[in-house]
Amino acid sequence: GENVEQHPSTLSVQEGDSAVIKCTYSDSASNYFPWYKQELGKGPQLIIDIRSNVGEKKDQRIAVTLNKTAKHFSLHITETQPEDSAVYFCAASLNSGGYQKVTFGIGTKLQVIP
Amino acid sequence: DGGITQSPKYLFRKEGQNVTLSCEQNLNHDAMYWYRQDPGQGLRLIYYSQIVNDFQKGDIAEGYSVSREKKESFPLTVTSAQKNPTAFYLCASAEGGTHYGYTFGSGTRLTVV
Repeated sequence: GENVEQHPSTLSVQEGDSAVIKCTYSDSASNYFPWYKQELGKGPQLIIDIRSNVGEKKDQRIAVTLNKTAKHFSLHITETQPEDSAVYFCAASLNSGGYQKVTFGIGTKLQVIP
Repeated sequence: DGGITQSPKYLFRKEGQNVTLSCEQNLNHDAMYWYRQDPGQGLRLIYYSQIVNDFQKGDIAEGYSVSREKKESFPLTVTSAQKNPTAFYLCASAEGGTHYGYTFGSGTRLTVV
């Protein structure tokens, strides 16, 4: 089955700096890659996603890149702010008999230091 | 506002008891999911349902049961057969098919006392 590895597990950056979280996946059939942000005591929230026919996607301060050949994708947050502090999860999704089978990474705890 | 509601937020279970976690959505989503979250282990799939009256086991279904009698509702029962039920439980929904992100509820924290 699909295996998603996520690095680093914790990340501390100074406010205003950039943060990068990296994920790798094992199944080349995976074709959809969402990223979720989870604040303390809450459910994860979808923040950006990318499909396998796209190499990069941006939404204001966040961007995701995908390298299908190497089977890795990354989340980039620029000009970090304290409210970016949260746990971030990557995921890889593939179509399994009409069902979207999603495998999550273990999460990265991002701390933005004011 | 459309969304997905989980209740209760906190739940305490005695040894040998069954408990049911509620999940309701008004997003008109076909698919619903239950995940368990433990520290350092990410999100693990318990059960999922693509349509009413149909559901499938996920990766860690043992000790859990579900029903999907209505499109809006997907309750999860944690039975006494689940040996280590203390965890954070997340319900999610998505449009049918593929390539759609999940909408998650705010979670239920279950503790065995």
